[in-house]
Amino acid sequence: DAGVTQSPTHLIKTRGQHVTLRCSPISGHKSVSWYQQVLGQGPQFIFQYYEKEERGRGNFPDRFSARQFPNYSSELNVNALLLGDSALYLCASSLAVSGNTIYFGEGSWLTVV
Amino acid sequence: DQQVKQNSPSLSVQEGRISILNCDYTNSMFDYFLWYKKYPAEGPTFLISISSIKDKNEDGRFTVFLNKSAKHLSLHIVPSQPGDSAVYFCAAARTFGNEKLTFGTGTRLTIIP
Repeated sequence: DAGVTQSPTHLIKTRGQHVTLRCSPISGHKSVSWYQQVLGQGPQFIFQYYEKEERGRGNFPDRFSARQFPNYSSELNVNALLLGDSALYLCASSLAVSGNTIYFGEGSWLTVV
Repeated sequence: DQQVKQNSPSLSVQEGRISILNCDYTNSMFDYFLWYKKYPAEGPTFLISISSIKDKNEDGRFTVFLNKSAKHLSLHIVPSQPGDSAVYFCAAARTFGNEKLTFGTGTRLTIIP
């Protein structure tokens, strides 16, 4: 069975641009979460979606948004990119809204120049 | 406010010996704890978890111990193998509610052959 898949794996954007990152959860998983990991830090929670509804939001500005589709895949959008948005963006999936093991994808490396 | 702390940025252990990684937390609402292993350029891989109703959980070479009164958990790896060299993250969550994981900053484990 395929694990959590993310695309693209690497991308470079210019300050002020917009980026869309995509994630497909493990088959059967209905919950998708997004995390940001900067060098030297642990992943930081951005969003959780379950059954297409937002179930949690971390301490990130409104430039960050996400959505979940009927097939449970998800997109993370970041507008007006800043240099500080350069990070590894991780998608995670699990069976239900809480209390389950959370599995991560390989991540999307975003560099903002 | 770092709610999950891994105070040792790095640890070196001889192959075949025991590796002990430590983690402390401050939020008494956390009741579910996980350990992830991360290789460079990959997403975190789930290793083992423990609920606050237990004080020990074992899976093969990996054992996690939880001391709720001290708000401390540890991961024991016995025997340590060269493939265990990676960054280990401790994460904490609340069972009910959303699935926000709060991560520590990680400990880089190096197994010396």
